[in-house]
Amino acid sequence: AQSVTQPDIHITVSEGASLELRCNYSYGATPYLFWYVQSPGQGLQLLLKYFSGDTLVQGIKGFEAEFKRSQSSFNLRKPSVHWSDAAEYFCAVESWGKLQFGAGTQVVVTP
Amino acid sequence: DGGITQSPKYLFRKEGQNVTLSCEQNLNHDAMYWYRQDPGQGLRLIYYSQIVNDFQKGDIAEGYSVSREKKESFPLTVTSAQKNPTAFYLCASSKDSYEQYFGPGTRLTVT
Repeated sequence: AQSVTQPDIHITVSEGASLELRCNYSYGATPYLFWYVQSPGQGLQLLLKYFSGDTLVQGIKGFEAEFKRSQSSFNLRKPSVHWSDAAEYFCAVESWGKLQFGAGTQVVVTP
Repeated sequence: DGGITQSPKYLFRKEGQNVTLSCEQNLNHDAMYWYRQDPGQGLRLIYYSQIVNDFQKGDIAEGYSVSREKKESFPLTVTSAQKNPTAFYLCASSKDSYEQYFGPGTRLTVT
């Protein structure tokens, strides 16, 4: 069965520092991959997606992610974090027309 | 503006009562989804519908029911058979079953 793992439940990062969130998936074929962000008490917003082609994809809010087939990973990065990036981040993989989500990573930004 | 609306934002019910959560979209999307979110568990799929008058069970359908009589609407009923209904419920829609757009969510509390 397909699965998505986000190894880090909680990450604390200083404002202005870089951020990397890990995502590993288990899937037989080339997956469609997504990163979503959720502010407290809100719905999810799509940050970026990977379907095929260039393995480094750019998203909104200055985020990027890199697909590495050999490592079954799709890690999310941001070079310089802003206080407004404090939120929960979810990685997801498409499977038979449905999305399978990871458990999420909570990001706390300190001054 | 196109989007997904969920109402109400907060809902309180007594144990043993059925309750219906509303989800409406004006994006002209064919597919719609209901998810349940609990802390530390990510999003779990309850039901989904890829076309009007048709829907399928997701991973945790027990104790829930849905209908899809109109393309724009996909209401979710939480029945008294759902053993632990208190949660945050998210509705989503998709044009092509890949990229999903989310509503703001409804927080249901059952006491």
